[in-house]
Amino acid sequence: SQQGEEDPQALSIQEGENATMNCSYKTSINNLQWYRQNSGRGLVHLILIRSNEREKHSGRLRVTLDTSKKSSSLLITASRAADTASYFCATDAAVTGGGNKLTFGTGTQLKVEL
Amino acid sequence: DTEVTQTPKHLVMGMTNKKSLKCEQHMGHRAMYWYKQKAKKPPELMFVYSYEKLSINESVPSRFSPECPNSSLLNLHLHALQPEDSALYLCASSWLAGGRSGNEQYFGPGTRLTVT
Repeated sequence: SQQGEEDPQALSIQEGENATMNCSYKTSINNLQWYRQNSGRGLVHLILIRSNEREKHSGRLRVTLDTSKKSSSLLITASRAADTASYFCATDAAVTGGGNKLTFGTGTQLKVEL
Repeated sequence: DTEVTQTPKHLVMGMTNKKSLKCEQHMGHRAMYWYKQKAKKPPELMFVYSYEKLSINESVPSRFSPECPNSSLLNLHLHALQPEDSALYLCASSWLAGGRSGNEQYFGPGTRLTVT
């Protein structure tokens, strides 16, 4: 079953604008991760935020986490056409013996137009 | 080398065929994963291997049979699949964190499987 919901489901913006995607999840978490997926290809890790962090930055990306509301947001500033992709949040849980289990949200399809 | 490779890129198989998907990584990761992704849906975890041992099977039907022959290779053997098994199959790997969560996963490009 899916852990989280993301909204919006789809977002279309002009190049140079900012894009904000929101993720809500259901259970307590240790960490939350964001991934990007270009059409029909593998996922690329963007950023991880731990449950004791409220905000994290990486280049043009800013992620916030509100554990009291069980929600996170991903902001992409000064978007480019190359940012066109699907974006997923994922909660992770440790697996006995090692590794971690990712449970993905429903995803936001971002289209950045020239 | 931070790449996870998957072969084949595309696979078309009949319901009576037996085929295998292959995944390889040379990053020294000791956790490897199989995910299934249907169109316009998020990836869903199928299996987790840790130290070449199966840690998680997410109630996947037995027509999917994973195998981890060594720390760099992960296979998914397919037999008697159904048309609804058509999907993108993604392999991933990660470091182990001593039982703690919080590691990023590195994904391969996937195998697009069509069952006819």
